[in-house]
Amino acid sequence: EVQLVESGGGLVQPGGSLKVSCAASGFSFSFSDSTMHWVRQASGRGLEWVGRIGSKGGGYATAYGASVKGRFTISRDDSQRTAFLQMNSLKSEDTAVYYCRSTVIDKNWFDAWGQGTLVTVSS
Amino acid sequence: SYDLTQPSSVSVSPGQTARIPCSGDILAKKYARWFQQKPGQAPILIIYNDSERPSGIPERFSGSSSGTTVTLTISGAQVEDEADYYCYSAAGDNLVFGGGTKLTVL
Repeated sequence: EVQLVESGGGLVQPGGSLKVSCAASGFSFSFSDSTMHWVRQASGRGLEWVGRIGSKGGGYATAYGASVKGRFTISRDDSQRTAFLQMNSLKSEDTAVYYCRSTVIDKNWFDAWGQGTLVTVSS
Repeated sequence: SYDLTQPSSVSVSPGQTARIPCSGDILAKKYARWFQQKPGQAPILIIYNDSERPSGIPERFSGSSSGTTVTLTISGAQVEDEADYYCYSAAGDNLVFGGGTKLTVL
């Protein structure tokens, strides 16, 4: 069974930093073939794409949404089957549940999500 | 506002057919996907490429597309189908989402 498990969420002050992780298991193919995304959802608001890091074959290319570009960084450790989201200069509007998502370019049927981790930015 | 538009709620009785539309200009050019989300659980992909169903998803779930609107249909909805349903699509590197539809089956 495919599982994505996020961890590392919590309470952080405005201007602070936090790093959340996404551990993958149960893949029937190499984790390095997957593209890892982060998506967030603030309470009472819609889903917002945060960014993604491409596969090994894609050169681990990254892309970010406009609201987080320059503040957030996505990375991965294929040996640990884990993706990371480093969040700096956090603002109150970054408060949300952060979900990781995994896709594979030539496997459109594969689109796995984690349960999410709550990040609260407040003083 | 959201890039894709869905009704906020749909209600049906068990055994009835539930239809959830999702509209947006991007859907004329890009495929849509749907996921189901129950409280406290991870979202689950139920439809991709507008109308394809991943392995393990019950046949009562189907998708269709016409112009700028895609529709999720649950034929013979069951109580366990009560959940939030979201449509989404890829717009270049970005993902765009609908606001979600709460399906009530009672």
